[in-house]
Amino acid sequence: EVQLVESGGGLVQPGGSLRLSCAASGFTFSSYEMNWVRQAPGKGLEWVSYISSSGSTIYYADSVKGRFTISRDNAKNSLYLQMNSLRAEDTAVYYCARVVATIHRRWGAFDIWGQGTMVTVSS
Amino acid sequence: AIQLTQSPSSLSASVGDRVTITCRASQGISSALAWYQQKPGKAPKLLIYDASSLESGVPSRFSGSGSGTDFTLTISSLQPEDFATYYCQQFNSYPPFTFGPGTKVDIK
Repeated sequence: EVQLVESGGGLVQPGGSLRLSCAASGFTFSSYEMNWVRQAPGKGLEWVSYISSSGSTIYYADSVKGRFTISRDNAKNSLYLQMNSLRAEDTAVYYCARVVATIHRRWGAFDIWGQGTMVTVSS
Repeated sequence: AIQLTQSPSSLSASVGDRVTITCRASQGISSALAWYQQKPGKAPKLLIYDASSLESGVPSRFSGSGSGTDFTLTISSLQPEDFATYYCQQFNSYPPFTFGPGTKVDIK
């Protein structure tokens, strides 16, 4: 079964750090580009970061640039999000999601999502 | 960055109703649009990609159309399991892969 499982969420104080993990199974992880998406309580979806299959190309949302770092370990079939200088507005469920190509374009859809891990930033 | 708006933000409908949700992009994005369904406490589920292509396993009552700046998601006959929030997402050129604000469909 194709699956993504996030872990590492929890309660952290403002200014603190947290590292999220996403374990992939059921597909050749090293062949796929990956993303992190978050959803604040009662709010919509916000794309956070992208990483290419090799890890050589990375993008971030402006809201997290300079504070968050995406990485991957293809040998361990794992995706990571290192979150530093956390703020109250970073409180959200964080999802990892696989992006796939379609007939028409390199990036066409997020077809597989994890169940999410909750991050709460509060004193 | 490309912005997406959705209308309506919420709607009430009955089982069997035809439901249409609109997504508008701030600039032309060709057909680089996907639609997702999200139920409370669950991850989003892909419904439509490339504006009109149905994801495998998704019921045929879901359809998408549009190109450029204006897109629609249509549910031809609303079923009880379709009450959820629906999001559009654009994939024009490079990230950010912006999401629309969502449309909540609930029971009338």
